[in-house]
Amino acid sequence: GAVVSQHPSWVICKSGTSVKIECRSLDFQATTMFWYRQFPKQSLMLMATSNEGSKATYEQGVEKDKFLINHASLTLSTLTVTSAHPEDSSFYICSEYQTTGTPGYTFGSGTRLTVV
Amino acid sequence: GEDVEQSLFLSVREGDSSVINCTYTDSSSTYLYWYKQEPGAGLQLLTYIFSNMDMKQDQRLTVLLNKKDKHLSLRIADTQTGDSAIYFCAESGTGGGNKLTFGTGTQLKVEL
Repeated sequence: GAVVSQHPSWVICKSGTSVKIECRSLDFQATTMFWYRQFPKQSLMLMATSNEGSKATYEQGVEKDKFLINHASLTLSTLTVTSAHPEDSSFYICSEYQTTGTPGYTFGSGTRLTVV
Repeated sequence: GEDVEQSLFLSVREGDSSVINCTYTDSSSTYLYWYKQEPGAGLQLLTYIFSNMDMKQDQRLTVLLNKKDKHLSLRIADTQTGDSAIYFCAESGTGGGNKLTFGTGTQLKVEL
């Protein structure tokens, strides 16, 4: 089946720095990428939807200037957490969607971000 | 917007059956999914069901869908300790740009 490689799997950074998370499609081309955030013992909350070559669509309450999403190619999407603060500490997961096949969603393995 | 609810916690004995329930509000859901998440890990797709189906069975897993009541359930037969995890139901609707809406998650604990 389809595989999405997400890196890094965990990262610790200082407050005020930026962190980039990458998701790569290894065996298919994905035009749509979803980015989720999951706080401890909570569900996944959709942050934004990105389509290759266009601007991402952010969910209500998600700051687009803080969470920069780039989907410049069909095989790579990135999420950059800018000027990170401790409250940004969370588990971030990407999911690619392909229109062919069912169910169509392939998830990355997630990135645990800890901001100190 | 869409709302997907699950009970928070379920405890069963090894060998028993587990039934995890989910209710949703979006009547336009096309597919409904069950995912498993182990501690510190990503999501593993367990099974899914198309909205025009009532039941789907896949080895130890049985999914029941009551579209009228917007109720989805996942039955795990012969539950093992390795089944201990958090289980999320999710639905994708036609009007949401194919995005998934996840349930609140059910923590399944399997005891010996």
